[in-house]
Amino acid sequence: GQQVMQIPQYQHVQEGEDFTTYCNSSTTLSNIQWYKQRPGGHPVFLIQLVKSGEVKKQKRLTFQFGEAKKNSSLHITATQTTDVGTYFCPLGNQGGKLIFGQGTELSVKP
Amino acid sequence: DGGITQSPKYLFRKEGQNVTLSCEQNLNHDAMYWYRQDPGQGLRLIYYSQIVNDFQKGDIAEGYSVSREKKESFPLTVTSAQKNPTAFYLCASSFRQVGTEAFFGQGTRLTVV
Repeated sequence: GQQVMQIPQYQHVQEGEDFTTYCNSSTTLSNIQWYKQRPGGHPVFLIQLVKSGEVKKQKRLTFQFGEAKKNSSLHITATQTTDVGTYFCPLGNQGGKLIFGQGTELSVKP
Repeated sequence: DGGITQSPKYLFRKEGQNVTLSCEQNLNHDAMYWYRQDPGQGLRLIYYSQIVNDFQKGDIAEGYSVSREKKESFPLTVTSAQKNPTAFYLCASSFRQVGTEAFFGQGTRLTVV
């Protein structure tokens, strides 16, 4: 079935460093969503990308959807301790399912 | 306030007992989902429902059961057949259309001793 692979699984950075996580699909996606889960919390929707090559920014976060709509990335500039958490790029409601997968766990050392 | 509510936040049960986790939403969402999360792991789909009186197995349905008698409610029962029930359980809801945002409850941390 359709799956999205997310890399890396874990990333440890020093505060102030940049961070990037990638989602890769074997098939073309109609859209891709990004969620963030803080430690001990629940996933919260960040953004959705729909168009080929789309780039959206939220303050220090930059989201990109690949030209072929098979991959996406989330880049955080100058990480802060508030960025700590797990970032997910689930398949968006494909056939009724909402598959989240492993996500990328980010830790930030002050 | 509109939202999705899970209760209780923490739950302790003895091994061999069934336990039911509550999930209620007042967002008028058609679709509801149950996930399990283990330490350092992602979210694994247990069951999902797109409409009332209908639900489908996810990737790890064995040892779990659900019902969807009302649009607002999607309770999950962890049965004694579930071999490793201790985990963090998350409920979510969304509209049915492809690409709509999912809203999550606060989660229930179940510990079976």
